[in-house]
Parts: sequence; C-alpha cells; structure tokens
Amino acid sequence: AQSVTQPDIHITVSEGASLELRCNYSYGATPYLFWYVQSPGQGLQLLLKYFSGDTLVQGIKGFEAEFKRSQSSFNLRKPSVHWSDAAEYFCAVGPPNFGNEKLTFGTGTRLTIIP
Amino acid sequence: DTGVSQDPRHKITKRGQNVTFRCDPISEHNRLYWYRQTLGQGPEFLTYFQNEAQLEKSRLLSDRFSAERPKGSFSTLEIQRTEQGDSAMYLCASSSDRGGSGNTIYFGEGSWLTVV
Repeated sequence: AQSVTQPDIHITVSEGASLELRCNYSYGATPYLFWYVQSPGQGLQLLLKYFSGDTLVQGIKGFEAEFKRSQSSFNLRKPSVHWSDAAEYFCAVGPPNFGNEKLTFGTGTRLTIIP
Repeated sequence: DTGVSQDPRHKITKRGQNVTFRCDPISEHNRLYWYRQTLGQGPEFLTYFQNEAQLEKSRLLSDRFSAERPKGSFSTLEIQRTEQGDSAMYLCASSSDRGGSGNTIYFGEGSWLTVV
C-alpha cells in the first residue's frame, strides 16, 4: 500500500531564511506527487505537482520541489520565507496514469515563521 | 469561478443524530471528491464521483455514511447515528477530466463536525 512520510511535524524558521520540508513516499511505481498548503481552518491549496519530466518543478508563491527517484523523496523548498507562509504543508501521492482522483496524504508539517 | 463551497461550515451534533453536508463544486467540474481530516492528520480519501456515478468508496466509508450526487452537480454526504469518532473536518473537492489525468483538484474550505 502506498504511504507518505513527512518526518518533521513542526518547523520554525526566521523570516527571510530558506526552507526545506521533507517528504518521502512508498509506492510500487513512480506516483504523481503533490504539495498542498492549508491555513488554519481552511481548505487545501495546491502549491505544485510532479507527473513526469524535469525533476525540479516550480510552483506558486515562490515554492519549488525536487523529485529524487533514488531516494523516493519530493522535498519542498523556498529560498526566502515570508510571514504569510506560516501554515500546514501536506505532501501527497496519487496513482500514476490515474491522476489525482485518490490522493494519499502525509500527516503534514506545521511551519512557524519568527520575525 | 466561485470555488468549491461547502455548507455548513461548522456543525455540532449530539451522538446518535444524523447530519448532512452539502458541497457545490466548481460549475464546469465533472469530478467530485470527499475527504475526511482529523486533527493532526492529513486528509483521507472517502469517495469520488464522476458526474452522478460514484466510482470509488474507501473502506473508511462505513454503512453509516452515504454520499450522493443525484444530478451530477452538487453532492451531499450524510452521516447517520453519529459517533464521537466521526468528529472531523469533511473536505469536498472537484476537478475536470477534460484535460486528461492529473487535472488540479480544488478543495473547499471544509465542514467541521463535532459530535458531543
């Protein structure tokens, strides 16, 4: 069965510092990969997705993620965080060639930004 | 594009009561999904509709849960004889298949259920 591991439950970074959120997955084949962000009490917003091709994908709000097949990882990065980036971040996988109809999410990483 | 809307946003109910949540997807989207999210966890897939057909149901969707999408537009999720373990946020999402697989899923803001 597929699974997603986000090893960091909570990360605190200073405003302007760089950020990397980790995501590892377990899947029989290379799945479709996603990062979502959720502000408190809100729904989820898609930051970026990887299906195939270039392993470095760009998303909204200045985020990027790199797919590393050998490590089964899809880490999210941002060179300089803003206070508005404080939120919960979820990595998710979906069946390849089936799209994102049935996503499996990680448990999330809560990001706190300090001035 | 008004986004995915869910109603009610918050519901407090007594154990044993029935509750119903409504989801209105983005108007041109033919796919609709329900997920459940408990505190400190990521969303978990419950069920999925393509137009009015319910194509997949998770084993999380017990017999007390029923979802419908009668005209391929809005959907309802009903929970009968609620239990405290049903307390969660119920997320609805929608997408279109017209661009092939992997179209973006848009989530609503969720319906919080508290069973007391």
